[in-house]
Amino acid sequence: DAGVTQSPTHLIKTRGQHVTLRCSPISGHKSVSWYQQVLGQGPQFIFQYYEKEERGRGNFPDRFSARQFPNYSSELNVNALLLGDSALYLCASSPPGVYTQYFGPGTRLTVL
Amino acid sequence: DQQVKQNSPSLSVQEGRISILNCDYTNSMFDYFLWYKKYPAEGPTFLISISSIKDKNEDGRFTVFLNKSAKHLSLHIVPSQPGDSAVYFCAARTMEYGNKLVFGAGTILRVKS
Repeated sequence: DAGVTQSPTHLIKTRGQHVTLRCSPISGHKSVSWYQQVLGQGPQFIFQYYEKEERGRGNFPDRFSARQFPNYSSELNVNALLLGDSALYLCASSPPGVYTQYFGPGTRLTVL
Repeated sequence: DQQVKQNSPSLSVQEGRISILNCDYTNSMFDYFLWYKKYPAEGPTFLISISSIKDKNEDGRFTVFLNKSAKHLSLHIVPSQPGDSAVYFCAARTMEYGNKLVFGAGTILRVKS
């Protein structure tokens, strides 16, 4: 079975630009979460979506937004990029009723 | 506010010996704990988990121990293999702010052959 997939793998943007990251969960998984990982730290929770509804939001500014589609795939959008947004963005999915989250390979975002 | 702490940035172990990775937490609302392994340029891979109602869970070479009174959990890998060399993250789940995982900063494990 295919795991969580994310696109693109790498992305380079300049300050002030906008970026959209995409995630496809494991088949049968209805919950998708987004995390940001900066070098030397563990992943930090950004959003969780379940059945297209936002179920949780971490301590990130309103420049960060997300949505989930009817096929359970998800997009993370970041507006007005800052240098500090440079990080690995991870998507994770989990099946109904299960706490374990399964991660994709991530998208490496570099903001210049 | 570091609710999950991994106080050892790195650990070096000889092949065949036991690796013990430690994790401390502060939030008594955590009800489920997980360990993930991460290789460079890959996402975290789930290893093993434990519910807060248990004190031990075993899966092959991996055993997780939970001491709720001390708010401490540990991952034991026996025997350690060179392929176990990776960054290990401890994570805890809370229903606060949704089904969110709170991660520690990670411990780099090096298994020497």
